[in-house]
Amino acid sequence: QKEVEQNSGPLSVPEGAIASLNCTYSDRGSQSFFWYRQYSGKSPELIMFIYSNGDKEDGRFTAQLNKASQYVSLLIRDSQPSDSATYLCAVRVGAAGNKLTFGGGTRVLVKP
Amino acid sequence: DGGITQSPKYLFRKEGQNVTLSCEQNLNHDAMYWYRQDPGQGLRLIYYSQIVNDFQKGDIAEGYSVSREKKESFPLTVTSAQKNPTAFYLCASSSRTGRDQPQHFGDGTRLSIL
Repeated sequence: QKEVEQNSGPLSVPEGAIASLNCTYSDRGSQSFFWYRQYSGKSPELIMFIYSNGDKEDGRFTAQLNKASQYVSLLIRDSQPSDSATYLCAVRVGAAGNKLTFGGGTRVLVKP
Repeated sequence: DGGITQSPKYLFRKEGQNVTLSCEQNLNHDAMYWYRQDPGQGLRLIYYSQIVNDFQKGDIAEGYSVSREKKESFPLTVTSAQKNPTAFYLCASSSRTGRDQPQHFGDGTRLSIL
């Protein structure tokens, strides 16, 4: 079983709709959770992070964390064509250092 | 502007040749990381360093080597022992402590075999 799992997609979403991305992780000691966006041919850029159970909102993005069920999700509201990218989930395990384990990414396509 | 600079952007390797990828950061971060990304895949950790003169192997260290002589610099050498080096290589840095400290990435280096 992979440590961090994501559906590879593509997730096809109409413009203006909500895109919902999920990420599950296997290590219950995981401390912090990060979502990165990666455009084709480019490097990942941080969207947001979360470390407490519940929801965290930043603009059109909402991260949701459920440690009991070991999943973290990302919602993109009012999806735009510019949101078409691969979204990477990353998990930090333990309290020392900032080593991350990445999922394989979910490709999102927003259709006008 | 603070950031992470990777060079070169594109690199070609001949059979039996070692090549070195450069990574420099001016963010004053203690920790630095090297990842490999194959097409359609996530990031796999090659090596990481949390402090100068110290580094640890990641999940796929075989065929690679690193050094950390300065806080700002973390070069990666792809040796001839790495038989399938074609990939997108990403360098990242972060603060060493604090659970909400993200990793920031450079623009990457694309390595191909000639």
